[in-house]
Formats: sequence, C-alpha cells, structure tokens
Amino acid sequence: SAVISQKPSRDICQRGTSLTIQCQVDSQVTMMFWYRQQPGQSLTLIATANQGSEATYESGFVIDKFPISRPNLTFSTLTVSNMSPEDSSIYLCSVVAQGLAGWATDTQYFGPGTRLTVL
Amino acid sequence: DAKTTQPTSMDCAEGRAANLPCNHSTISGNEYVYWYRQIHSQGPQYIIHGLKNNETNEMASLIITEDRKSSTLILPHATLRDTAVYYCIVRVNNYGQNFVFGPGTRLSVLP
Repeated sequence: SAVISQKPSRDICQRGTSLTIQCQVDSQVTMMFWYRQQPGQSLTLIATANQGSEATYESGFVIDKFPISRPNLTFSTLTVSNMSPEDSSIYLCSVVAQGLAGWATDTQYFGPGTRLTVL
Repeated sequence: DAKTTQPTSMDCAEGRAANLPCNHSTISGNEYVYWYRQIHSQGPQYIIHGLKNNETNEMASLIITEDRKSSTLILPHATLRDTAVYYCIVRVNNYGQNFVFGPGTRLSVLP
C-alpha cells in the first residue's frame, strides 16, 4: 500500500520565522488535507489542498498565514508563516485514495505528522 | 456531519476484549461510521468503517445497532500497544468530504 511521509518530523523555530512542511505520497491520490493538532487537543482541519488550484481553507485559517501548494497528485506543502508560540502544534497531512490496492476506498489516511515548537 | 459522543476514557486489562462505545443518534442514512486511533505523537491510524452491517478486519470488529444510533468498536484481545485515543466519526462516504474529529476515547490497556 502507499506510504505517506512528512518532512521535517519535528522542528524548533523562533517566533516571526516561517517553516515549510512537505507531504509526499508514493502513489497518486485524489484528495490531500492539512490538519493541526494543538497540545492535548483533537485534530482540526486547516485546508484542502487542491491540485492545480488554490487551497480551500476552513473558517479561522487564512492563506497568508498557512499558504499551501499542491503541484501534483503526490506532493503538497504547508507553510506556517510569521510563527508565534501559539502555532506550536503537530501538523498532519492526510490523503484520500481511490482505486489503490490495499487502501479502503474513500477513506482518509494520515502521515506521521510534524511536531512544531515555536519559542 | 452528524456528531458523536464517546466516553472520555476507559481502561482495559491486557488480553481482554476492549469494547469502545459511540453514540451517533442523528446519523443520516448515507453516513458511515469510521473508527481511527492515535497512538501518542503519531498520525491517526484507520481501523475500520461500516454503514449498517457489522464489520470485521484483522484489527477489530465494528458492531452497529439496527437503528444505527450507536456502535461499538471491539478489540478482541487488547495489548499494551493498543493504548491510544480512539475516534469515532460519522461521515458521508465521499472522497471529497473531510473527517471531523471529536475528542475521542482515551483507552489505557493495563498489564
């Protein structure tokens, strides 16, 4: 079955800087999503990464703060811009595949996450 | 998406069956019940999903009541590695529809 990887796995950053997180899938997938999980909390959807067009953001998340790219069907990036300590979270990408052997159809699969700490 | 209600936490003895309940009284006819789990500091892991029939795979069994207002995830022989937060989600089985995660149930498997 397909593998989802994220880079970096963790990072410690200074406030005011930006970090770009990469999500790579070894098979072409239909949908990709980005989630945030703040300490001790459940997952919150940031946006849907659309291939070839602008991402679709959820309420409370804006493109200037979380720009997303998805240049093809296997790769996406999320940038956390102008970071503050409140951005310290685990950031997760997830994918939905159709027609891939070993994957349940229309089911979401998650990457390992990127643990971000902002000082 | 319909909302779900799960107990905040549960304990289970190692080797025994873990039965995790989920209430979804407002589930719609075209919404599936999905279960995920998240082991500490890892990405959520898909476990199983179903519409109205009971389902079983190598990880777990899913029992859905006839009126579909509740379900139970069963881990037949819990091990220490099953300690995790378990999320019950109801969702239309459409690839474009994202998953909405609630707080889940924190299952502790005790030696």
